[in-house]
Amino acid sequence: DGGITQSPKYLFRKEGQNVTLSCEQNLNHDAMYWYRQDPGQGLRLIYYSQIVNDFQKGDIAEGYSVSREKKESFPLTVTSAQKNPTAFYLCASSMPQGAVSTEAFFGQGTRLTVV
Amino acid sequence: DAKTTQPNSMESNEEEPVHLPCNHSTISGTDYIHWYRQLPSQGPEYVIHGLTSNVNNRMASLAIAEDRKSSTLILHRATLRDAAVYYCILRAFNTNAGKSTFGDGTTLTVKP
Repeated sequence: DGGITQSPKYLFRKEGQNVTLSCEQNLNHDAMYWYRQDPGQGLRLIYYSQIVNDFQKGDIAEGYSVSREKKESFPLTVTSAQKNPTAFYLCASSMPQGAVSTEAFFGQGTRLTVV
Repeated sequence: DAKTTQPNSMESNEEEPVHLPCNHSTISGTDYIHWYRQLPSQGPEYVIHGLTSNVNNRMASLAIAEDRKSSTLILHRATLRDAAVYYCILRAFNTNAGKSTFGDGTTLTVKP
């Protein structure tokens, strides 16, 4: 089945450590995105990528980094510079802008807790 | 992005219709109205979208006001599995689907 896979589902990190969240898609989508969601709130865009080897900052990129070396993969690193990293992280993908399909497909999320 | 306004929460009884409202008074002519829903501890999923005319699919119906300043997502018979947060989003034609602004949405509670 086609879809987006995020791993791990739960992640615990010690303060001061970097951690990388995985996102893989087999939908052949060019565009991929990372969101952060805090309890009871909506989604905020961290980074997005429209094509391999290119990515752009979203609304809350500080303390995060990404790479896009392959079309299928868009890993997110939460660095020690992120002041409040405990949150639910969601990855999504979509056809490029202008494509017929209009929906974004989301993964099941990774819940990161800093201990 | 143009802003949408939704009630924070709504309740419904199982097997009754649910009408979820969304106001978008600053919508522009090229903005599509999209709805997503997010079940607990999962990623959002697409529900429906429309531009001017009312739309139906297997999940729901979308009723769009004639002046397009508001819309209503209709679940014809709510089930317990429909309990979720529902997001109303505006997205201009020819923009990336994932760059939409997801506000706080409406939390729908379905009572048995």
